[in-house]
Amino acid sequence: GNSVTQMEGPVTLSEEAFLTINCTYTATGYPSLFWYVQYPGEGLQLLLKATKADDKGSNKGFEATYRKETTSFHLEKGSVQVSDSAVYFCALGGFNKFYFGSGTKLNVKP
Amino acid sequence: DTEVTQTPKHLVMGMTNKKSLKCEQHMGHRAMYWYKQKAKKPPELMFVYSYEKLSINESVPSRFSPECPNSSLLNLHLHALQPEDSALYLCASSQTGLAGGETQYFGPGTRLLVL
Repeated sequence: GNSVTQMEGPVTLSEEAFLTINCTYTATGYPSLFWYVQYPGEGLQLLLKATKADDKGSNKGFEATYRKETTSFHLEKGSVQVSDSAVYFCALGGFNKFYFGSGTKLNVKP
Repeated sequence: DTEVTQTPKHLVMGMTNKKSLKCEQHMGHRAMYWYKQKAKKPPELMFVYSYEKLSINESVPSRFSPECPNSSLLNLHLHALQPEDSALYLCASSQTGLAGGETQYFGPGTRLLVL
């Protein structure tokens, strides 16, 4: 079946630090993979996506590469800002439904 | 424009009330979704409509009743809710709901409190 495992949070970093949030998946077939971000009190916003193996999704300085051999889609950013503080969800796009990871809360301190 | 709107933003209701949540999108999408999100948890899928027909019901209690009057609108009718139904209710849309891996676009949610 389909499932997503995300690293436990919260993750606390200082401004300008390097960010990695780990995400691994199990899937039947070749699903699309997504990262969504949720700011306090808001809905989910699409951050980036990748539709096939070796694709790299990128947006606003965030990147993730679809790695079929390690079944991973880790989120990275070279230099985080206080405004990046939010909850990040990794998701696998199955047929007609998403499989979400548990979410990772990121706190960035000035 | 990738906007999904939801009304109301906040709702407080008693266990005997009847209320409705509304969702609208103007992206020409033909699939719409309702999710329930409890604090510090990921969204849980409740219902999926594709081309105005209910395609997925994730064994949701009958006190939640979805309705899709047209391809742009999605309602969730609430009746005789329980306090444990208090949560953030999120609406989303995608292109057709018939292909795997479609990007879903989420609204800001309605925060529901059941007293």
